[in-house]
Amino acid sequence: AQKITQTQPGMFVQEKEAVTLDCTYDTSDQSYGLFWYKQPSSGEMIFLIYQGSYDEQNATEGRYSLNFQKARKSANLVISASQLGDSAMYFCAMREEFPWGGSNYKLTFGKGTLLTVNP
Amino acid sequence: DAMVIQNPRYQVTQFGKPVTLSCSQTLNHNVMYWYQQKSSQAPKLLFHYYDKDFNNEADTPDNFQSRRPNTSFCFLDIRSPGLGDAAMYLCATSRDKGEVVSEQFFGPGTRLTVL
Repeated sequence: AQKITQTQPGMFVQEKEAVTLDCTYDTSDQSYGLFWYKQPSSGEMIFLIYQGSYDEQNATEGRYSLNFQKARKSANLVISASQLGDSAMYFCAMREEFPWGGSNYKLTFGKGTLLTVNP
Repeated sequence: DAMVIQNPRYQVTQFGKPVTLSCSQTLNHNVMYWYQQKSSQAPKLLFHYYDKDFNNEADTPDNFQSRRPNTSFCFLDIRSPGLGDAAMYLCATSRDKGEVVSEQFFGPGTRLTVL
């Protein structure tokens, strides 16, 4: 069974500073993928970034980058130049394929990290 | 804008009174998912549809059912809600892109309260 661990229940960062949110995972699959989602207090899950296990370069999307260390089984999210609007819950999730194959999948989520950006 | 819509955003029901939550999408995605997220917990998949094919997670209680009458709509029925079913229910969609992994798009969720 796959498992996602987010060890930081809460994090604080000053506006305009960078912050790293930790995520470690456990899987026996050779092919897998890791997502980060943001969930504001409104409840909607917003996709941020994706890293495939065979991707040679770390994923980046604007102010978001993923520090992927395969040997250590970690996929930390780095947010540069934090903004007040970044305050939210952040979930790391792993793509888990269904037994019948295909490219659709289910997400196994970590427990999340609540990020607070201070002015 | 293409999106995933959930109605209602807040639903209050009584213990044992059936309730239906609605999800619609304008993305024309062929996969639709229902996740349950209890307070301060991670979302957990209940079931999903691949087109008309329904796929139930092994640990989803029988109390939870789903219908997908067409590509755009998917419903979550809770036949006899218990206090433990109070949660945020998230609908998500994704498109089967063959070998390419595409992200799941989530709706805003329906927060269910059981009295």
